[in-house]
Amino acid sequence: RKEVEQDPGPFNVPEGATVAFNCTYSNSASQSFFWYRQDCRKEPKLLMSVYSSGNEDGRFTAQLNRASQYISLLIRDSKLSDSATYLCVVNNPAGTALIFGKGTTLSVSS
Amino acid sequence: EAQVTQNPRYLITVTGKKLTVTCSQNMNHEYMSWYRQDPGLGLRQIYYSMNVEVTDKGDVPEGYKVSRKEKRNFPLILESPSPNQTSLYFCASSLLSGGVYEQYFGPGTRLTVT
Repeated sequence: RKEVEQDPGPFNVPEGATVAFNCTYSNSASQSFFWYRQDCRKEPKLLMSVYSSGNEDGRFTAQLNRASQYISLLIRDSKLSDSATYLCVVNNPAGTALIFGKGTTLSVSS
Repeated sequence: EAQVTQNPRYLITVTGKKLTVTCSQNMNHEYMSWYRQDPGLGLRQIYYSMNVEVTDKGDVPEGYKVSRKEKRNFPLILESPSPNQTSLYFCASSLLSGGVYEQYFGPGTRLTVT
């Protein structure tokens, strides 16, 4: 089983749509969880951390299910500017590295 | 402005010609790391450093060297580059808070080895 798995997509949605991305991770001892956004050929940037209780930042909601080792990201009211690749990230239990999923590509069209 | 800088941003070189990609951060972060990103393979860690003079191998260290003589700088050295090292390289830094936490990335260096 790969350490962090994501559906690569692409997800093609119209403006205003709600879209959900899922991610699973293999090591139950991981303690930190994030979603990063990466625009084409640019550096990854932190979108949001993911907390056990779930957290929201504007149109973005992240959920963590430790029992199932599952992380999700929900984007409501999609904008053209949301088009990007979304990376699911967890830390390794030793705390020495972040492990990145290969990303899910989102394309929002008008 | 808090940032991670990398130089050069683009480099085309020939097999065997030693090169160094510099990385510098101004956030006083203990942790720094190098990644390469290739289509279909995602981000893979090359080397990381938990603090000055402390470096360790990541998942794909072969063909690379690093050093951490100062907290702010973490250069990546390719002693004898080969075409399979053609890639997009990112440097990142992070505070250590019970382990590595969120990372801040440099803008990337696109390397082509012919």
